[in-house]
Amino acid sequence: ETGVTQSPTHLIKTRGQQVTLRCSSQSGHNTVSWYQQALGQGPQFIFQYYREEENGRGNFPPRFSGLQFPNYSSELNVNALELDDSALYLCASSFRDREETQYFGPGTRLLVL
Amino acid sequence: GEDVEQSLFLSVREGDSSVINCTYTDSSSTYLYWYKQEPGAGLQLLTYIFSNMDMKQDQRLTVLLNKKDKHLSLRIADTQTGDSAIYFCPKGGSQGNLIFGKGTKLSVKP
Repeated sequence: ETGVTQSPTHLIKTRGQQVTLRCSSQSGHNTVSWYQQALGQGPQFIFQYYREEENGRGNFPPRFSGLQFPNYSSELNVNALELDDSALYLCASSFRDREETQYFGPGTRLLVL
Repeated sequence: GEDVEQSLFLSVREGDSSVINCTYTDSSSTYLYWYKQEPGAGLQLLTYIFSNMDMKQDQRLTVLLNKKDKHLSLRIADTQTGDSAIYFCPKGGSQGNLIFGKGTKLSVKP
């Protein structure tokens, strides 16, 4: 196990609602990245946080937003949920100078009805 | 085309060797990675190779990199049923992120 934890493990929401997913980094890691993995696909990069600021972003609309806290934990917020937001959301932590070497949590499975 | 291309499926018998292949549109990434994803789970980092290396061995795993052909492979010796999973070979992106292909589903038959 990596030491990266995510909560909740599963979540069911309805279209139009808002959701917050949480991630705790592996001890000592200061960078957090979020990915969306649709069924049968590889993970897609949403964004990355370092020093409580967004450090990079993939091709996701502004209704996907995030936070990083002083203890390096992080939240992913999604507003105005759409059916296509149903996916496994993965959090990964890393060191700043090796941010590509990422250790993943178990994920949160979100179902939007 | 896709940044990272992989065959979608591979089936082997228990005890045989498995070879999973990846091709990249460019190999500018400093490191290349292999991750394993079991059903309903997150991704486990198996191993990685520095881009100026040709080969890396780690117990049952052998990684080969052909930078000229932009080709990476993972060989699993003595494949076991516990190796059944989806394998990803992401490369590094420009934002400190990883760029994934669709993954190769490895099925190991007893």
